[in-house]
Amino acid sequence: SSALTQDPAVSVALGQTVRITCQGDSLRNYYASWYQQKPGQAPILVIYAKNNRPSGIPDRFSGSSSGNAASLTITGAQAEDEADYYCGSRDSSGDHVVFGGGTKLTVL
Amino acid sequence: VQLVESGGGLVQPGGSLRLSCAASGFTFSSYWMSWVRQAPGKGLEWVANIEQDGREKYYVDSVKGRVTISRDNAKNSLYLQMNSLRAEDTAVYYCARDLTSTALDYWGQGTLVTVSS
Repeated sequence: SSALTQDPAVSVALGQTVRITCQGDSLRNYYASWYQQKPGQAPILVIYAKNNRPSGIPDRFSGSSSGNAASLTITGAQAEDEADYYCGSRDSSGDHVVFGGGTKLTVL
Repeated sequence: VQLVESGGGLVQPGGSLRLSCAASGFTFSSYWMSWVRQAPGKGLEWVANIEQDGREKYYVDSVKGRVTISRDNAKNSLYLQMNSLRAEDTAVYYCARDLTSTALDYWGQGTLVTVSS
């Protein structure tokens, strides 16, 4: 089991807004990061340090956090956003990196 | 920034394998580096990371004592020595750069390790 918990699957209509959540006690002390992974490809970092986007990531991706939860919001989802999304952070000890189990996003 | 893994392949249970990751396009010696794996059809699992000068290292519990992470800053290379391999170690292994303590910003394309008789 993972120290970070995600819903296995979420769907969104094209152009609508979707929120993907991640829960874990360590999120009270550590930022979450978010990764997008498409089939057969390596993960791509889309959000880090709560709400920072690496260069090249569209501004429709945003992050937030509250208490023991973090969220990735896609505002105006596009067909190309269909992918698996993983949250990442530290475990409670701070020594280890941990990932959530992943959320499969379907864009309808 | 480019990270290119190599060294994967088919190995029998109990065998050993050494993975390599060649880094370019950034000052390799300035960054922590990680290995992350993904079993077929499964999620991401962080395996290990190593600090800039190689002295500080951390491992996921499931590989402790069987796996060693190392680096050669002169060669801009990261390594993962894996011993006593088990079927459950079968995965694509990615090397990644640690942007912060909680984010990995660049990933290689991965190398597949298959442990099977």
